[in-house]
Amino acid sequence: EDQVTQSPEALRLQEGESSSLNCSYTVSGLRGLFWYRQDPGKGPEFLFTLYSAGEEKEKERLKATLTKKESFLHITAPKPEDSATYLCAVQAYETSGSRLTFGEGTQLTVNP
Amino acid sequence: NAGVTQTPKFRVLKTGQSMTLLCAQDMNHEYMYWYRQDPGMGLRLIHYSVGEGTTAKGEVPDGYNVSRLKKQNFLLGLESAAPSQTSVYFCASSYGPRQRYGYTFGSGTRLTVV
Repeated sequence: EDQVTQSPEALRLQEGESSSLNCSYTVSGLRGLFWYRQDPGKGPEFLFTLYSAGEEKEKERLKATLTKKESFLHITAPKPEDSATYLCAVQAYETSGSRLTFGEGTQLTVNP
Repeated sequence: NAGVTQTPKFRVLKTGQSMTLLCAQDMNHEYMYWYRQDPGMGLRLIHYSVGEGTTAKGEVPDGYNVSRLKKQNFLLGLESAAPSQTSVYFCASSYGPRQRYGYTFGSGTRLTVV
């Protein structure tokens, strides 16, 4: 059974204070690892897809990295508008319907 | 450029009542999904469809039924609502097996069963 564990559950940062979110996963053959951002009252919004260990993707202040057992979402010099819940999900090669298994998310608050 | 549209956005049901949640996508996606999101539980897959006329069970299918009569629509039905079905329901869609761009999600339906 595929499993995704995200830590910490919640993170408070001051504006400009860089940090990282963790996503540990167990999957029988990783096809892809996904990061989403979810704002209150809205659906998750796609950020990145990572396919293999060593891969990195960047978007503005966000950088996602992948190893064989975990992924990190690095946030550099965050701003208050980066406050959101960040979700990690995995897709396994053997999963029918290309289903994603999601973690519970990390709620990030960036204070001005 | 609507993406994935869910209706209704909010609903309150009494225990035992039935209702249908509608999901419509205009991106010509083959795959569609229904998830529920609960505090401390994350997103859990209810049912999914890999094409028009097909449906399959996900992780938590009990108490729900689905239909995909048209490619662009995916309906989620609750035949006899229970308080345990109080949740936020999200519909999502994707092109197919290669999830290069992940899912596109709707904005959700907040359902309360009293």
